[in-house]
Order: sequence, then structure tokens, then C-alpha cells
Amino acid sequence: NAGVTQTPKFRVLKTGQSMTLLCAQDMNHEYMYWYRQDPGMGLRLIHYSVGEGTTAKGEVPDGYNVSRLKKQNFLLGLESAAPSQTSVYFCASSDTAESNQPQHFGDGTRLSIL
Amino acid sequence: GQNIDQPTEMTATEGAIVQINCTYQTSGFNGLFWYQQHAGEAPTFLSYNVLDGLEEKGRFSSFLSRSKGYSYLLLKELQMKDSASYLCAVLDSNYQLIWGAGTKLIIKP
Repeated sequence: NAGVTQTPKFRVLKTGQSMTLLCAQDMNHEYMYWYRQDPGMGLRLIHYSVGEGTTAKGEVPDGYNVSRLKKQNFLLGLESAAPSQTSVYFCASSDTAESNQPQHFGDGTRLSIL
Repeated sequence: GQNIDQPTEMTATEGAIVQINCTYQTSGFNGLFWYQQHAGEAPTFLSYNVLDGLEEKGRFSSFLSRSKGYSYLLLKELQMKDSASYLCAVLDSNYQLIWGAGTKLIIKP
């Protein structure tokens, strides 16, 4: 049971570098989400998607871009990494948003920006 | 603004009972979730409440009072493996989850 898979699991970047985080889910879920988790704070929503080809901004979208070209994949891009983007990034998916269906999370990507 | 408050850390003894509280102020309410997150791992779903009252699921129970903006997670017969962070999250009027910072639960033998 793969569920939600994130790659890579760890990455160290220099300020100004770019990278893409990949999220893949095999549950045929419509909704996908990208969060960041920082010490002492709750998960914060960066961007989300309600279906293939659609994306929307969350609470903290600045400095990030996303794409959902295929239903099973949701990519998070950092165009010019900054130290403030050092965090643990979680991808999640759910069948719907308007019900008791929980979000299923990947194992996270630990990203350090030097 | 939207706000969810949980205690930062709690300590309990193996075999005992612990109650983790969560209070919330959000724009709208479409349900409250509890998740468990072991250190270095992904959050995993524990429970969902949308109506007032107690939902029991094995050793774990979750309670909701919408009028008070309050929920708690009750863990019985604590085991060492219950050492984890417990996250409270509210589904707001836009059907987005608003997350608390989590409560780190430490279980001592």
C-alpha cells in the first residue's frame, strides 16, 4: 500500500537555487495539498488542488508554485530558495473536502536552505 | 483571525488516562479532526467530530462542544507507543483545515 509518496525525503539547497518536490498518490483522490510544518506552529497550507489541471493558493503561497498535470501527481516548486523556506514539507490527499474524509499524508520532505 | 489552542506538552504514566484539550475560534465549522504524529513521521488520522458529543474508538475517544468551541481527545490504558504529538484541526467555512500546533505527549513507565 503506497498511499502518498513524496520525493526526495531530504534535501539541502543553497540560497537562490531552485528545486521541485514531487508528490504521488495511488488512491485516485481528487484533492491534493502541500503543507509546511515548522517548530511550534501548526501545519500551514501552501497550495492545494481540487482536481487535475487546477490549483489554488493556501495560507502561505509566496515563493512557491505548483502544478497538477496528472491526477495522481502534485508538484511543488521553489524558484529561488530562501532560508525562511527551511521546513518539513508534507503532501496530503483526500477524496473530497466537504465531508468527514480525512487527509492522507506522505512521509514528508526535510528541506534545509543554507 | 482563526486560532486553535492546544497545550504544548503533557506527561502521563503508562497504563493511565490522559485528556488533551483543544479550543478553537474559526470562521465557520465543518468538523474537527484529531491526528497522531510520531516524531519524524507523517500525521495519521485518529478521529472526526461534527456533532456535539463523544465518539469512541477503542482506547481513544474524542469529544466536541460546538457552543464552547472545545474538543478533547481522551486516551485510555496508555502504552509507550502512544508517545507522539496529537494535532487538532478544524475544517473551516471554506472547507480548509486549520491546524493547531500540536500537543507532545510523553509517556513514562
